[in-house]
Amino acid sequence: EAQVTQNPRYLITVTGKKLTVTCSQNMNHEYMSWYRQDPGLGLRQIYYSMNVEVTDKGDVPEGYKVSRKEKRNFPLILESPSPNQTSLYFCASSLARPSGNYGYTFGSGTRLTVV
Amino acid sequence: GQNIDQPTEMTATEGAIVQINCTYQTSGFNGLFWYQQHAGEAPTFLSYNVLDGLEEKGRFSSFLSRSKGYSYLLLKELQMKDSASYLCAVREYTGGGNKLTFGTGTQLKVEL
Repeated sequence: EAQVTQNPRYLITVTGKKLTVTCSQNMNHEYMSWYRQDPGLGLRQIYYSMNVEVTDKGDVPEGYKVSRKEKRNFPLILESPSPNQTSLYFCASSLARPSGNYGYTFGSGTRLTVV
Repeated sequence: GQNIDQPTEMTATEGAIVQINCTYQTSGFNGLFWYQQHAGEAPTFLSYNVLDGLEEKGRFSSFLSRSKGYSYLLLKELQMKDSASYLCAVREYTGGGNKLTFGTGTQLKVEL
């Protein structure tokens, strides 16, 4: 089954304790992206990657890191989480063609709480 | 950059028709998407428009006018399960690739 798998689904952590949220896709998609979703603010892009070893900042990259060593994986790293990073996070992937009817496939989401 | 506007919430009756509007401003338009999102779940793809006109898909239709920077999602024969947030998303070609930006979503409540 074609899918984007995120782990964990839920995570409660303390301020300053490094954490990684994993994301893996099995569709051979070039493009992968991380979003955070907060009430009233919608989905905001954190980082994205056009292909292996190619990553770039989205609209809200502060406090986050990513890596793209393999095509299928795109982990999101919070080196020193803070309470304002409490949010619902989504990983998404898609083809990277210039145009066409291809939407994003989203993971199930990770609800992160930083206390 | 982009600016995407859609109403925050709407209420409609089961069996009725509802139209959710979306306006946008972008310099490199390359497609408009509608997604449905139930609370706490991932967004799921509903429709895609890149040319002007209406795209129909069962109970859902989406319309686009590029000159007006305007789209709408039309839901017919509303069912209770259609209660969800509907996200308008605009794909913009930025030279370095495509970027998909989401509106804040329209929370639709379907009542009996």
